[in-house]
Amino acid sequence: AQSVTQLDSQVPVFEEAPVELRCNYSSSVSVYLFWYVQYPNQGLQLLLKYLSGSTLVKSINGFEAEFNKSQTSFHLRKPSVHISDTAEYFCAVSERSGGSNYKLTFGKGTLLTVNP
Amino acid sequence: NAGVMQNPRHLVRRRGQEARLRCSPMKGHSHVYWYRQLPEEGLKFMVYLQKENIIDESGMPKERFSAEFPKEGPSILRIQQVVRGDSAAYFCASSQTSAGGGETQYFGPGTRLLVL
Repeated sequence: AQSVTQLDSQVPVFEEAPVELRCNYSSSVSVYLFWYVQYPNQGLQLLLKYLSGSTLVKSINGFEAEFNKSQTSFHLRKPSVHISDTAEYFCAVSERSGGSNYKLTFGKGTLLTVNP
Repeated sequence: NAGVMQNPRHLVRRRGQEARLRCSPMKGHSHVYWYRQLPEEGLKFMVYLQKENIIDESGMPKERFSAEFPKEGPSILRIQQVVRGDSAAYFCASSQTSAGGGETQYFGPGTRLLVL
């Protein structure tokens, strides 16, 4: 079984400031890692994911996340945020192998609020 | 290409009534997943279906909840005799395959169920 901990339920920042949203996971097996974003009144959208290869993955809108196996973390960062980044961000994992590798396990989410 | 569609977006039921939530997957997707988000919680896996088959219902409550994905038409999540504790957001996701794990799941906007 896996679990995901998002350490901050809310993160308020000013526009153009850097931000880091923290995610730690616990699993007895190897996992894939995901960040999803949910804008108000919308469904979740995949932001980025780590499957294999380079431990640093990037999205098209300037976010990046680094897989750290020793610390079991997958923190999300952006060097300069915009008002439009205001949303809830969910970290998720799934098993790499086994019969349930389609099953996503989510953290509770972090609400990022970008203020002018 | 339309995304995952869910309806209704909001549903109000009185205790003891039935709730029927519908999900139309993305075009070309034959794998459907339902997740539930209780207040202050992350999304939790409920059930995984392919056309006319329930693959994994390990996250479904044992009673009152059922799901189907018929050959024609949307997937339906049905909750009989609703109770206040069923109040939650129900999200549907779809994917093109599930082989190998790490497959991106595309989420709908969710149905917010309120039980009075």
